[in-house]
Amino acid sequence: QSVLTQPPSVSGAPGQRVTISCTGSSSNIGADYDVHWYQQLPGTAPKLLIYINSNRPSGVPDRFSGSKSGTSASLAITGLQAEDEADYYCQSYDNSLSEYVFGTGTKVTVL
Amino acid sequence: QVQLVQSGAEVKKPGSSVKVSCKAFGGTFSSYAINWVRQAPGQGLEWMGGIIAILGPANHAQKFQGRLTITADESTSTAYMELNSLTSEDTAIYYCAREGGIGGVFDFWGQGTLVTVSS
Repeated sequence: QSVLTQPPSVSGAPGQRVTISCTGSSSNIGADYDVHWYQQLPGTAPKLLIYINSNRPSGVPDRFSGSKSGTSASLAITGLQAEDEADYYCQSYDNSLSEYVFGTGTKVTVL
Repeated sequence: QVQLVQSGAEVKKPGSSVKVSCKAFGGTFSSYAINWVRQAPGQGLEWMGGIIAILGPANHAQKFQGRLTITADESTSTAYMELNSLTSEDTAIYYCAREGGIGGVFDFWGQGTLVTVSS
């Protein structure tokens, strides 16, 4: 059972904006540990999408943005495209478990 | 550019062990942690543990204490994950991922190794 909670699914039409929340607690996100986001396209390995809360690796479109506040973090996708249809996971560190933890995952569907 | 190449798919009997390898190309292998993450069919990602080659002892998730061994061979830039006492619940894709050293981010991932546990 993951300590980071995400909505199971979000959807939007092409061109729209969607957001994915990642809710933690005082032992992980709220303890000021960094949050990272990964995109997993069907049948492939996860790929780093956002690191240290809001930074994009080289090659990631600026349609993707991240933020963090309190015990939660969010990933926003603006100008949604068909190729964005994938599973998205947040990840952080939990000091009560002394473990890295992943979110429950969110499936993004482009209508 | 870093590339992580994992060993091939495995089919194992319940109660047996599996050892998966992860060879790194590019980058400085000994300076970064290699982590192992698994994904059961239709499920999310689960961190198992990690190791930094130059530091030795690995960290493990509590769930796997006692049956997970993570090692690294600097001479071949290869990390290994061995899981014992397999059950059907261990059927999953196992990924290795490099920890980039910045806030615990996993910046490069292997292609994944499917481990099927079946009698």
